[in-house]
Amino acid sequence: SQTIHQWPATLVQPVGSPLSLECTVEGTSNPNLYWYRQAAGRGLQLLFYSVGIGQISSEVPQNLSASRPQDRQFILSSKKLLLSDSGFYLCAWFKTPTNYGYTFGSGTRLTVV
Amino acid sequence: RKEVEQDPGPFNVPEGATVAFNCTYSNSASQSFFWYRQDCRKEPKLLMSVYSSGNEDGRFTAQLNRASQYISLLIRDSKLSDSATYLCLASGGSYIPTFGRGTSLIVHP
Repeated sequence: SQTIHQWPATLVQPVGSPLSLECTVEGTSNPNLYWYRQAAGRGLQLLFYSVGIGQISSEVPQNLSASRPQDRQFILSSKKLLLSDSGFYLCAWFKTPTNYGYTFGSGTRLTVV
Repeated sequence: RKEVEQDPGPFNVPEGATVAFNCTYSNSASQSFFWYRQDCRKEPKLLMSVYSSGNEDGRFTAQLNRASQYISLLIRDSKLSDSATYLCLASGGSYIPTFGRGTSLIVHP
């Protein structure tokens, strides 16, 4: 069965520090991978998506970057965090054709202080 | 105009009530539709897919109206445990499936 792992679950980081969030998928190959951010009380904001190794598309200009070094690994990074980077970060995969939509990781709650 | 729109609510209903949410989508190329449930401080989880013929899963019924470009979710006999945010998802035509912002449901005793 397919599973998605995301870590850490919670993170408190000072302004200006770097960030690295990792997401891995098991039980599937060549998935489409996505990073979302959800601010408190808000909807899901798509940050990046990737349809293959080394292929990254950015949806919004921001302080973040993403990389996909392996087929089932997706990394979200920042060199210097801002207060506005606080939020709930979710990794998801979506494999077509499928009737199962997205599967989300359990998320990382990031607080920048 | 947002691609997928939902009434954010909250919908505040008593236990046992029937409640319905709609979600409109603007991309006519959308082919697959889903409803997700998100509990507070948790990741969204798939509630049900939405088929052209409509589908039912226990107290939940999902419908698709392609002509008017909306999907609906009907919850019958609401339970306290149904309190959550319900997000719709439309996909197809690109790699970017699009979520609505979610509708908040509060079921009270």
